[in-house]
Amino acid sequence: QVESVQSGAEVKKPGSSVRISCKASRGTFRNFAFNWIRQAPGEGLEWMGGIIPIPGTTKEAQKFQGRVTISADDSTNTGHMELHGLKPEDTAVYYCARGACNGGSCHVLGMWYFDTWDQGTPVTVSP
Amino acid sequence: DIQMTQSPSSLSASVGDRVTITCRASQGISTYLNWYQQKSGKAPKLLIYGASSLHSGAPSRFRGSGSETVFTLTINSLQPEDFATYYCQQSYTVPLTFGGGTKVAIK
Repeated sequence: QVESVQSGAEVKKPGSSVRISCKASRGTFRNFAFNWIRQAPGEGLEWMGGIIPIPGTTKEAQKFQGRVTISADDSTNTGHMELHGLKPEDTAVYYCARGACNGGSCHVLGMWYFDTWDQGTPVTVSP
Repeated sequence: DIQMTQSPSSLSASVGDRVTITCRASQGISTYLNWYQQKSGKAPKLLIYGASSLHSGAPSRFRGSGSETVFTLTINSLQPEDFATYYCQQSYTVPLTFGGGTKVAIK
C-alpha cells in the first residue's frame, strides 16, 4: 500500500515549488516503484514519472524533465516528487501510485502498471 | 510517445447490459495494456493488467482481451456500482500513457 503524507490540499503561487510525498511499507519500498500521476480538473490521467527506491533509478516523462525531481528516502520508506516553476496549468490532483510489473528487467525499463493509489493531493496554482 | 485512443468517449447503458470499451495503441505494445476504473472524486482502481489478467479484488464480470494495437474491456451484466470512467494505460515503454477515458453512464 501507499499513503499520502500530505495533510490536505496545497495552494501555491506561480513560480514556486510543491513537494508531494507518499509513504509505503518496507516491503513495498524494497520491491515496487513509486509513481506520480496527475489529473487536471475534468481531464484524464497523466503520468509524470517514477522511481525504483532501491537502487534509486528514476524515469520521467520528457514533458516534465528539468522541472521535476523524484527521490526516495530509505530511512522512512517515503517517495517524494517535487515540481518546480509552478504554472496555473499545473493545477491538478496529484496521485502517488505503486508501480508493479512482470518480467526480469521490467522495473529498470519502467514498464509499470499501477496497482495501488493514494487518495490524491489537490494542488492549486494561483496568484 | 505511444498514443492511446479509447472509444467511445462516453456511453449510456442499463443495469444488466454487456458493455464493451475499445482502446487502440498507435503502435504495437504486445499485451502491456492495463485498465482502470475511476469513480467521481476518487482515485483510480486497477481492474485488468497484462491485457487480460484480473487484478485481485476486481469482479469477475470484468474481462480484458486483445494484443498489439487493439484491446477491449468487456463488462458482463453491468451493475449499479460500475457506472464510472474507465481508462486504458500502456506499460510497454516510457512515457507511460493513458487513453482519454470512457464514461459509462446510466441510461
